Amino acid sequence: DTAVSQTPKYLVTQMGNDKSIKCEQNLGHDTMYWYKQDSKKFLKIMFSYNNKELIINETVPNRFSPKSPDKAHLNLHINSLELGDSAVYFCASSQGDPATQYFGPGTRLLVL
Amino acid sequence: SQQGEEDPQALSIQEGENATMNCSYKTSINNLQWYRQNSGRGLVHLILIRSNEREKHSGRLRVTLDTSKKSSSLLITASRAADTASYFCATAAGNNRKLIWGLGTSLAVNP
Repeated sequence: DTAVSQTPKYLVTQMGNDKSIKCEQNLGHDTMYWYKQDSKKFLKIMFSYNNKELIINETVPNRFSPKSPDKAHLNLHINSLELGDSAVYFCASSQGDPATQYFGPGTRLLVL
Repeated sequence: SQQGEEDPQALSIQEGENATMNCSYKTSINNLQWYRQNSGRGLVHLILIRSNEREKHSGRLRVTLDTSKKSSSLLITASRAADTASYFCATAAGNNRKLIWGLGTSLAVNP
């Protein structure tokens, strides 16, 4: 059983398009995260939700909008995609303290 | 803001040798965690050490924490080709939900 799943796995799109990435966790965790990993493997936190409430909102362009319909799902919508948005986006979840994080397989986004 | 720094950035060893990676951080922490990332995959949690602990073991992994020097090390003993991956340290402070990540050490274990 997949603990944290993301769709799609690969996303190739043109500049200016709008796209969404979906994440689901079946671990019963109360906190979910979106990370961006660039080509140098630097991992940057973007957003975090706890029980559907936004608790971490890093300096991210407002073209990125997260949405958590319930505590098992966290989606990421990106408007007006730019070349610099090309990266691997990871979803993760955690529960309790200390918060060990469980990662999804990643979504590889390529903007042309 | 990125806080952790691993060194070396890249490490290449022969199977059977030990691999040591270091992580330094800047502020007080509640715990420090090590994760592994195989090529093209998500990160996997390896081990967590709390700020009041000095050493922890898990199988072939040994982690040390020196809060006075704000540093940690990850030792992988008797390495295997399957250990080839990138290794990241991450520190937690405050409510622990936000992890601050290092840049990672890329480990290559040659058969």
